[in-house]
Amino acid sequence: DTEVTQTPKHLVMGMTNKKSLKCEQHMGHRAMYWYKQKAKKPPELMFVYSYEKLSINESVPSRFSPECPNSSLLNLHLHALQPEDSALYLCASSQDPGTSGVDNEQFFGPGTRLTVL
Amino acid sequence: AQKVTQAQTEISVVEKEDVTLDCVYETRDTTYYLFWYKQPPSGELVFLIRRNSFDEQNEISGRYSWNFQKSTSSFNFTITASQVVDSAVYFCALKGAVANYGGSQGNLIFGKGTKLSVKP
Repeated sequence: DTEVTQTPKHLVMGMTNKKSLKCEQHMGHRAMYWYKQKAKKPPELMFVYSYEKLSINESVPSRFSPECPNSSLLNLHLHALQPEDSALYLCASSQDPGTSGVDNEQFFGPGTRLTVL
Repeated sequence: AQKVTQAQTEISVVEKEDVTLDCVYETRDTTYYLFWYKQPPSGELVFLIRRNSFDEQNEISGRYSWNFQKSTSSFNFTITASQVVDSAVYFCALKGAVANYGGSQGNLIFGKGTKLSVKP
């Protein structure tokens, strides 16, 4: 299984809602990532989990809260979002961010298109 | 500082034409990694290739080929006999070696992407 899956594919939420994005991989990867991608822009890194511990938070507002329940799952909890948070949210995984060399490419999921009203 | 420049914002070709997507990078690392990803309209980023800085061999995979030249800091991507299914945004990305970045763990630095449209 060489796939990263994400649910839901589309999400529309109001500014007062609480929702969660889910990501799953079964490749035995020990690093997982959340990216945000606005239209016609490259992905921007939000969070990195390494061995189920948060290792990087790229100054993301607290209305985004990541969680890594186990090595295969990654969640992104959303609360009190703003319309400018509307974007494609991509999850990715890689073998291990601590290795420099072989097998350090990231594999991406299909993304969740989020619209905040 | 690290930087990836994809100067071509959009390219439009007719099917069966060859097309080259340019990528120029900047880094002070002696060890680094370069990547190409394809993003079709569906949104998923598809990994195409990784090239290590110590391996300057060019690579061919079917209709795809990559030309890595350290002397010009370029990692260009050529599609031969393009097809409509090649229409997508293509991103070039750079990652430094972990040892040089400590806690940053060598994050991917993306170029702005090149939108390729292949018309029938």
